[in-house]
Order: sequence, then structure tokens, then C-alpha cells
Amino acid sequence: GAGVSQSPSNKVTEKGKDVELRCDPISGHTALYWYRQRLGQGLEFLIYFQGNSAPDKSGLPSDRFSAERTGESVSTLTIQRTQQEDSAVYLCASSPTSGDQWEQFFGPGTRLTVL
Amino acid sequence: GQNIDQPTEMTATEGAIVQINCTYQTSGFNGLFWYQQHAGEAPTFLSYNVLDGLEEKGRFSSFLSRSKGYSYLLLKELQMKDSASYLCAVKDSNYQLIWGAGTKLIIKP
Repeated sequence: GAGVSQSPSNKVTEKGKDVELRCDPISGHTALYWYRQRLGQGLEFLIYFQGNSAPDKSGLPSDRFSAERTGESVSTLTIQRTQQEDSAVYLCASSPTSGDQWEQFFGPGTRLTVL
Repeated sequence: GQNIDQPTEMTATEGAIVQINCTYQTSGFNGLFWYQQHAGEAPTFLSYNVLDGLEEKGRFSSFLSRSKGYSYLLLKELQMKDSASYLCAVKDSNYQLIWGAGTKLIIKP
């Protein structure tokens, strides 16, 4: 079946502009995660959605970052007034539940470059 | 705080065996995952351990000792395509994945 998809695959923007990144999780997956990965570094947790529960926003680095999810489907990550330090790959992952044994399935990522 | 430690980089020879270690300190434990990430690609799942001991899956094996907060990933009969980063991640008491920075494995002919 179809995996996690993300769009756009690449985004180049100017400092100060807003960007919106999209994630389509695997159908039926109730858990959805957003991560940031800077070049050569590990995954940095941003936000987590589980079903209809309130999202865990503890990883969002500033109030310029926000995310929404429509039910158990598409999610969008919005970065307002982008800064050069926002340049990174933004990865989305989904999982059937957040239960212990379930691995996360990752999308291909969106590479964001802020000039 | 929560912490996952792995070596930054390792080098091994094609056909050999390599062991990548991971130590963790987390608030609770609900399983440990290993992922593989090739350069420019998304991470893909390799293994999951929740009980102590060794889990074998083909050329890859993963070991866990919960009392020591320690795991390793063992790769046998190394192939050039195994050159990648290997990420260790632990699910904490809130079922959140805490990620290590990854170990870059370089395979030489």
C-alpha cells in the first residue's frame, strides 16, 4: 500500500516568509509525528498527534512553528517568518498507534532552505 | 533529562562484523528501536527490543539489557550497501520516541 507522503519535496524560501509543509500519513494510522533533522544531526521531535487527543507540542522550538491535523488524515506544519536556522529536512512519520511495539513509518521529508 | 548515546562514526571492512552500541537514560522504558538511514533518505525500521536478550533478523541482530540501559546492533557479513547512519531510539513512559544522534557507518572494500 501507499506509504507516508510529504510535499513539497524541496522548498526554497526567503527569510521572513511563511511556509507550509504537508504530510499524508498511511491510511488508518492514528499517530502522526513531525521531526526536524539538520544536516548531519539526529532527529529533533517537534509535535505529535494521536487520534482526537490534544497534540503534544512540547518539541516546537518557538511560537513561529505550528501544526494542525484534520482528524486522522493530513497534517500541515507551518513555519512563520522563517529564519536561516530553520533550514533542515522536515520528516513526518505515522504509526498505527503510539503503543509500545509499533514502529514509525517515515515519509521522504521536505528539504527546507531559507535564504 | 533524557539521553541516548551512540558513537558518532564507525568504519568497518566489507565482509566483516561490526557492533554499534547505544546507551540510554530515559524516563521509563517501553522498547528500543534501531533504524537505518541512508544519506538523503528517510529512516527505515530495522529492529525492536522490549525484553532483555538478542533478536536476530538475517544479517542484523539487536541486543538489549534493560538493567544496564544498553543495546547494540550487530551487523554481519557487511556489504557496501550497509553504509548508512544507524539511529537508536527509546520509547519513554509517555510512549514518545527519544532519538540518538545516530552512528555513521562507513564500509571500506
